[in-house]
Amino acid sequence: GEDVEQSLFLSVREGDSSVINCTYTDSSSTYLYWYKQEPGAGLQLLTYIFSNMDMKQDQRLTVLLNKKDKHLSLRIADTQTGDSAIYFCAESHDPDSWGKLQFGAGTQVVVTP
Amino acid sequence: DTGVSQNPRHKITKRGQNVTFRCDPISEHNRLYWYRQTLGQGPEFLTYFQNEAQLEKSRLLSDRFSAERPKGSFSTLEIQRTEQGDSAMYLCASSSTFNSQGEKLFFGSGTQLSVL
Repeated sequence: GEDVEQSLFLSVREGDSSVINCTYTDSSSTYLYWYKQEPGAGLQLLTYIFSNMDMKQDQRLTVLLNKKDKHLSLRIADTQTGDSAIYFCAESHDPDSWGKLQFGAGTQVVVTP
Repeated sequence: DTGVSQNPRHKITKRGQNVTFRCDPISEHNRLYWYRQTLGQGPEFLTYFQNEAQLEKSRLLSDRFSAERPKGSFSTLEIQRTEQGDSAMYLCASSSTFNSQGEKLFFGSGTQLSVL
């Protein structure tokens, strides 16, 4: 079955770059997403990438996709304390419902001053 | 537009009781999803609606769970005869399919259910 895996924890100093990694097993994954969850809040869509792309940049966020290795990463440039949160990688492959997502367990990012 | 709204934010109940949660999606969104999230895990898909039609249910959704979206706007999720294993955050999300580039889900803040 489908599986999405992420490292559990990342500590980064304010101003440095953060890189969060994700691997997935479903070769038919078509859309790959990064969501952010702050305490007591729902998930916020940060960015997504279509499987025919290798890279997508959106302000401080850069997504890299290696389809061969089924590896997705999210780079946050100039990390701020407000970036402290849990980051979820997710994939979808059902063309009848792109919103049916398979999530990883999340990476807790802690930004230290 | 205030986003996706879920009520209540927290629900504490005793084992065996029935509970009902409500979700009000973003008004022009035609799709509505329910997910469940347990501590330390990512959300898991439960079911989704397109307008008022329930199009898919996960095998995670036992017979004790029922969801409705009677007029294609708000949705309710009912759990009958709650069990301690039902304790989780129940998340609702909505999206519009009038976009050729996949679906962007907008999540509510969730309903935290605790079954004692």
